[in-house]
Amino acid sequence: EVQLVESGGVVVHPGGSLRLSCAASGFTFNDYAMVWVRQAPGKGLEWVSLISWDGGTTYYADSVKGRFSISRDNSKNSLYLQMSSLRPEDTAFYYCAKADRAMVYFDYWGQGTLVTVSS
Amino acid sequence: SYVLTQPPSVSVAPGKTARIPCGGNNIGFKSVHWYQQKPGQAPAVVIYYDSDRPSGIPERFSGSNSGNTATLTISRVEAGDEADYYCQVWDSSSDHGVFGGGTKLIVL
Repeated sequence: EVQLVESGGVVVHPGGSLRLSCAASGFTFNDYAMVWVRQAPGKGLEWVSLISWDGGTTYYADSVKGRFSISRDNSKNSLYLQMSSLRPEDTAFYYCAKADRAMVYFDYWGQGTLVTVSS
Repeated sequence: SYVLTQPPSVSVAPGKTARIPCGGNNIGFKSVHWYQQKPGQAPAVVIYYDSDRPSGIPERFSGSNSGNTATLTISRVEAGDEADYYCQVWDSSSDHGVFGGGTKLIVL
């Protein structure tokens, strides 16, 4: 059974930094690209970032490019999102998800972790 | 950047058919994927690559895609289908994932 468990969500001040983690199990982690998707409370889904199976390719939404960094440790079956220069509009539930082999849709999702950016 | 447009809500009576559109420029040339999200839960894929269904998703869920509109169709709607539905594509011209704004399915 595929399981994705996010952690690291907390309340942080504007301008602060935070690292989210996602622990994966139930599939061969180093065979698949992974993504982060966020959802502000009461709002829709927003794709944030994608990392290829080997970490060699990364993509970012324009809203986070230059502030967020996605990475993975295949030896630990873990995905990360380093977030810096946080803004109130970054407040959201952050979901990690497994991408399909073509890296075009997201077939398994975690339950999410809440990041609140507030003074 | 590529934009997907969905109506905020669609209402349907139990037992009837719900159709949720997703508009995008020449979306028929892209692969469209649909997610269902119930309150307090993570999204889950219900249709991928326009019309494929994951195991465990009822045959009542189907998808189509042509021209400038993709459509998620739910036949014989049940109360348990009430949820938010999001369409999604991968925009290869920008290497960005793109979600529609979401449609709340209301079962009357």
